[in-house]
Amino acid sequence: KNEVEQSPQNLTAQEGEFITINCSYSVGISALHWLQQHPGGGIVSLFMLSSGKKKHGRLIATINIQEKHSSLHITASHPRDSAVYICAVSSFSSGSARQLTFGSGTQLTVLP
Amino acid sequence: NAGVTQTPKFQVLKTGQSMTLQCAQDMNHEYMSWYRQDPGMGLRLIHYSVGAGITDQGEVPNGYNVSRSTTEDFPLRLLSAAPSQTSVYFCASSTTGALGSQPQHFGDGTRLSIL
Repeated sequence: KNEVEQSPQNLTAQEGEFITINCSYSVGISALHWLQQHPGGGIVSLFMLSSGKKKHGRLIATINIQEKHSSLHITASHPRDSAVYICAVSSFSSGSARQLTFGSGTQLTVLP
Repeated sequence: NAGVTQTPKFQVLKTGQSMTLQCAQDMNHEYMSWYRQDPGMGLRLIHYSVGAGITDQGEVPNGYNVSRSTTEDFPLRLLSAAPSQTSVYFCASSTTGALGSQPQHFGDGTRLSIL
């Protein structure tokens, strides 16, 4: 079973701080997803990546396939960034279709 | 463009009752899936569909049925509700491509409590 481990589980930061959330996984994957879940519960896809780095606004996602590790960075954090950030990986299941395996999430709170 | 629409948003059931959680998407996505989210755990796949008329089981399928008669709709049926099925349920869809290899679009979730 592919396990996805996120760290830290909880993170509190002051507005403006640089934030890093880490994700490690145990088997070969075809893609890694970063998702954001707001307090209201809705889940939004932030990034999908299989190599290198992607950037969208103040968010940066990196992945190291050899080390089976990905990071999500938030620059100049803001209280509106407060949410649960979820890492998920796509790998072959016992069948033919790839399925997503999710980490348990990182609760980020950014204080003004 | 509504995206993925889930109904209801909240539901309380008694043990043994049955109900259907609705999921509809208007993006012509082939892939649709149902997840449950429990405290301290990652989302877990219940059932998924790679296209109309095709469904398959995920990690935690027991107690749930699905069908996919159209591309747009993917309802999840609880056959006989149990307290262990108290959870938040999410429906997701994605474009053509093996499940998980395309960006996922999620509904807003259904919070279900079984008494």
